[in-house]
Amino acid sequence: KQEVTQIPAALSVPEGENLVLNCSFTDSAIYNLQWFRQDPGKGLTSLLLIQSSQREQTSGRLNASLDKSSGRSTLYIAASQPGDSATYLCAAEGDYGGSQGNLIFGKGTKLSVKP
Amino acid sequence: EPEVTQTPSHQVTQMGQEVILHCVPISNHLYFYWYRQILGQKVEFLVSFYNNEISEKSEIFDDQFSVERPDGSNFTLKIRSTKLEDSAMYFCASSGAGVEQFFGPGTRLTVL
Repeated sequence: KQEVTQIPAALSVPEGENLVLNCSFTDSAIYNLQWFRQDPGKGLTSLLLIQSSQREQTSGRLNASLDKSSGRSTLYIAASQPGDSATYLCAAEGDYGGSQGNLIFGKGTKLSVKP
Repeated sequence: EPEVTQTPSHQVTQMGQEVILHCVPISNHLYFYWYRQILGQKVEFLVSFYNNEISEKSEIFDDQFSVERPDGSNFTLKIRSTKLEDSAMYFCASSGAGVEQFFGPGTRLTVL
């Protein structure tokens, strides 16, 4: 059964720092890995999708990498800003007995960027 | 920019009552999903829907749950007889020919 773990659970950094959020998954038979942002009491905003044939994706100050063999993905945020404060979730979509489309989520990393 | 919408934003109901949560997926998307998030816990997959039928469901999605696409735009989740433990945020999501899933803002369901 796929398990997704995110470390750290919470992170507080001063504005301007570059930071890395980690995501690990137990079953490497994934189709895709998707990173989301969740603001308190709100829905999930898709940030980046990495397909299994890709190793990384970039959008603005965000860069996500995927290493299927080691079961890891990282989200790199450059030059962090207070507006980046949110919970960041990673989710793996996999070939777990045909359940394509079923995203398995980690519990998230709660990021606080201090001015 | 197209987005997934959900109504109501907050639903309060008595235990044992039926509730229907409404979603309007992005218009040209073909795959539809429901997830839930109990307060403080992970987002959990409930069900996926494609071509007017359920393609996958989790253990949570038991006989008390059903989904329907009553017309070309709406996608609903029905809980027949709500329990206290059904209290959660329910998210609808959709995806197109690609695989990226786009989520709605959620409906907070409170069962008293």
